[in-house]
Amino acid sequence: AQSVTQLDSHVSVSEGTPVLLRCNYSSSYSPSLFWYVQHPNKGLQLLLKYTSAATLVKGINGFEAEFKKSETSFHLTKPSAHMSDAAEYFCVVSGINDYKLSFGAGTTVTVRA
Amino acid sequence: GAGVSQSPRYKVAKRGQDVALRCDPISGHVSLFWYQQALGQGPEFLTYFQNEAQLDKSGLPSDRFFAERPEGSVSTLKIQRTQQEDSAVYLCASSLTIRSGANVLTFGAGSRLTVL
Repeated sequence: AQSVTQLDSHVSVSEGTPVLLRCNYSSSYSPSLFWYVQHPNKGLQLLLKYTSAATLVKGINGFEAEFKKSETSFHLTKPSAHMSDAAEYFCVVSGINDYKLSFGAGTTVTVRA
Repeated sequence: GAGVSQSPRYKVAKRGQDVALRCDPISGHVSLFWYQQALGQGPEFLTYFQNEAQLDKSGLPSDRFFAERPEGSVSTLKIQRTQQEDSAVYLCASSLTIRSGANVLTFGAGSRLTVL
């Protein structure tokens, strides 16, 4: 079985400053890891995914995440926040041959002007 | 279509009523998933179809929940005798390939069910 823990339920940043969203995972085998974003009244959108290739994964809209096996972490970062980044972010894990996704509880990001 | 379409977007039901939620996946997508997202929580897996076959329904909360995909495209999630704890957003997702944790799912905007 696999699970993820998002360490912050809410993150507030100023526009133009870095964003860090923390995620730890638990998996009994090599996991696939994802970050999804959910804007109000919109579907979940994939930001990036890790599937055992490069440990530093680049995604859309300037986001990137680093897979650290020793720390069982998959933190999401962006160098400079934009107002449009305000949304709910979910860290997600699945087994490499498993179709089920396990979502974290989510982190709400607010961006101050 | 270009994306996953769900209807209705909003549904208010009185306790005890039956509801049906529809999902139109992306044309040609083999896999279809239903997830339930309670307020303030992450989505939780309900059920999985590969074409018309329901391969996993282990996440369905009770026998009041039923899902079908008779022709391998459109899917319907039915909830009988709704209860207040059924209030949630029901998300549908589809993917082109089958199985594999590396699948990228395309999610619909969801159907928000409120049971009074």
